[in-house]
Amino acid sequence: GAVVSQHPSWVICKSGTSVKIECRSLDFQATTMFWYRQFPKQSLMLMATSNEGSKATYEQGVEKDKFLINHASLTLSTLTVTSAHPEDSSFYICSARDLATGGWVNTEAFFGQGTRLTVV
Amino acid sequence: DAKTTQPPSMDCAEGRAANLPCNHSTISGNEYVYWYRQIHSQGPQYIIHGLKNNETNEMASLIITEDRKSSTLILPHATLRDTAVYYCIVRVISGGGADGLTFGKGTHLIIQP
Repeated sequence: GAVVSQHPSWVICKSGTSVKIECRSLDFQATTMFWYRQFPKQSLMLMATSNEGSKATYEQGVEKDKFLINHASLTLSTLTVTSAHPEDSSFYICSARDLATGGWVNTEAFFGQGTRLTVV
Repeated sequence: DAKTTQPPSMDCAEGRAANLPCNHSTISGNEYVYWYRQIHSQGPQYIIHGLKNNETNEMASLIITEDRKSSTLILPHATLRDTAVYYCIVRVISGGGADGLTFGKGTHLIIQP
């Protein structure tokens, strides 16, 4: 199957600093990627939809000024957690679908391996 | 997207078939049933999906009832590496279709040696 790669796999940062997480589709193009967050012992929650060449769409309750998303190319989306606080510590996961396999209908989502963010 | 209900946890002996149920009684005619799993501290992995016919691939089989109100994911010969949280998701088919997935709590499947 298609491969989605996230970098870094884990990061520890100081409170008040910013952290950038990259999501790359390695062998396919993705005009849209998705960012999820998962707190311990909870399920994945969709944070935002990242659209290549346009602004991201954020889910209700997710601060767009805090979680900056840039989708500058068909294979790369970045999530920047600005002014990080300990409560932002979480597992961040991105996903994408391969447009070449018939568009959005009846296609599977490929997920990155996730990024464990710890804010101290 | 329709809501799904899954048991919070299940045990299965290694080498036996693991049968994971999912209830989606409010599913619409244009919604697919998808199954993903998440091994601890990893991103979710796609397993299988179907609309109304039973499906099989190298990982699992998906049995969807005739009324489509429930489905069962079958792992034919479970191994220890199949221990994970399994998510049953139903997705509406839309014109643009660029929608993220709504994950429920899933079923934590524990394969016992």
